[in-house]
Amino acid sequence: DAGVIQSPRHEVTEMGQEVTLRCKPISGHNSLFWYRQTMMRGLELLIYFNNNVPIDDSGMPEDRFSAKMPNASFSTLKIQPSEPRDSAVYFCASSLLQNEAFFGQGTRLTVV
Amino acid sequence: GQSLEQPSEVTAVEGAIVQINCTYQTSGFYGLSWYQQHDGGAPTFLSYNALDGLEETGRFSSFLSRSDSYGYLLLQELQMKDSASYFCAVRENTDKLIFGTGTRLQVFP
Repeated sequence: DAGVIQSPRHEVTEMGQEVTLRCKPISGHNSLFWYRQTMMRGLELLIYFNNNVPIDDSGMPEDRFSAKMPNASFSTLKIQPSEPRDSAVYFCASSLLQNEAFFGQGTRLTVV
Repeated sequence: GQSLEQPSEVTAVEGAIVQINCTYQTSGFYGLSWYQQHDGGAPTFLSYNALDGLEETGRFSSFLSRSDSYGYLLLQELQMKDSASYFCAVRENTDKLIFGTGTRLQVFP
């Protein structure tokens, strides 16, 4: 398996634009997580899914953020409209067992 | 609320032993994990403790005391390549995984 695949790796966009981040989890994994990483706030859990169903979105900062998982092999995180304070590295991770989560390489988002 | 506290930075020399502590306060607890992250990279899994005691994996060991809400990662025979950030993470339930603030380890020759 190629591991968790995220795209794009880098995204630069202007304030107010819509941004869509994509994630393909490892085949067979039943949990998917979206995290945001910044120097100030560390690794924050935004939302997680189990068997494609959103379980906990309490970490989603605002209504501008939304996430979907239409099937077991694909998830998106959308920011609309984007703001400079959304600049961060966004990680997607998937897991099957409780003990280990596998992370993608992340999307570095810069909003100018 | 929930919190996972770690020291922000630790320094050591090659060949030494270093311990990174983690104290947690969460609404639920299923286990404590440790992850390593090199600059510009993704977090990678190191170890997991669901029960009290010490788990050893090569040069790395992890300890958990559930009664004290405390754990640590022990790195032995430090190498330059161990310079990275280390995160503790708690499974709050069967799925939810939350991370600590991270500890930056710098290994000097």
